[in-house]
Amino acid sequence: DTAVSQTPKYLVTQMGNDKSIKCEQNLGHDTMYWYKQDSKKFLKIMFSYNNKELIINETVPNRFSPKSPDKAHLNLHINSLELGDSAVYFCASSQELAGENEQFFGPGTRLTVL
Amino acid sequence: GQNIDQPTEMTATEGAIVQINCTYQTSGFNGLFWYQQHAGEAPTFLSYNVLDGLEEKGRFSSFLSRSKGYSYLLLKELQMKDSASYLCAVMRAGSYQLTFGKGTKLSVIP
Repeated sequence: DTAVSQTPKYLVTQMGNDKSIKCEQNLGHDTMYWYKQDSKKFLKIMFSYNNKELIINETVPNRFSPKSPDKAHLNLHINSLELGDSAVYFCASSQELAGENEQFFGPGTRLTVL
Repeated sequence: GQNIDQPTEMTATEGAIVQINCTYQTSGFNGLFWYQQHAGEAPTFLSYNVLDGLEEKGRFSSFLSRSKGYSYLLLKELQMKDSASYLCAVMRAGSYQLTFGKGTKLSVIP
């Protein structure tokens, strides 16, 4: 069973388009995240979300918006795609606990904007 | 803000021991994580330290000194499959978000 899954695995699209990436976790976790990994392999947090709070990294453009239909899903919607949005996007989840909060990552979505 | 520093690349020989260092500066600290990421794959969790000292898990150990803002990941009996990037990440107090370093690409050679 896949713990954290993302679709699609690859996404190629034109500048200016709007696209969504879906993420689902079957671990029963209450917090989910989106990360962006650029061409230099630098992994940066974009959002974290649980049923109480959305925390947005201040460097994320407002063209990016997370949408959570329920606790097991956190989708990423991107408006007006730009060339610089090309990257691998990872979804992750964890359980809020005092102490170790291991994050489980999905397989990633490689977005290419032409 | 947070600043995390680790070497960009390292090379080590199969069967040897390698130590990957990570230094960090953060306003508030809630733990330090090490993740392994093979090329084209997702990061996977290796270790978590929140108190000073050494945590051992099989061939991998992680050390933390909070007063020095310093951690290392120690890999023993290196295997070819250990060739990967190793990411140091810090969790800030009051948040579950991780801030990652730029990763250390380890190449294990025969």
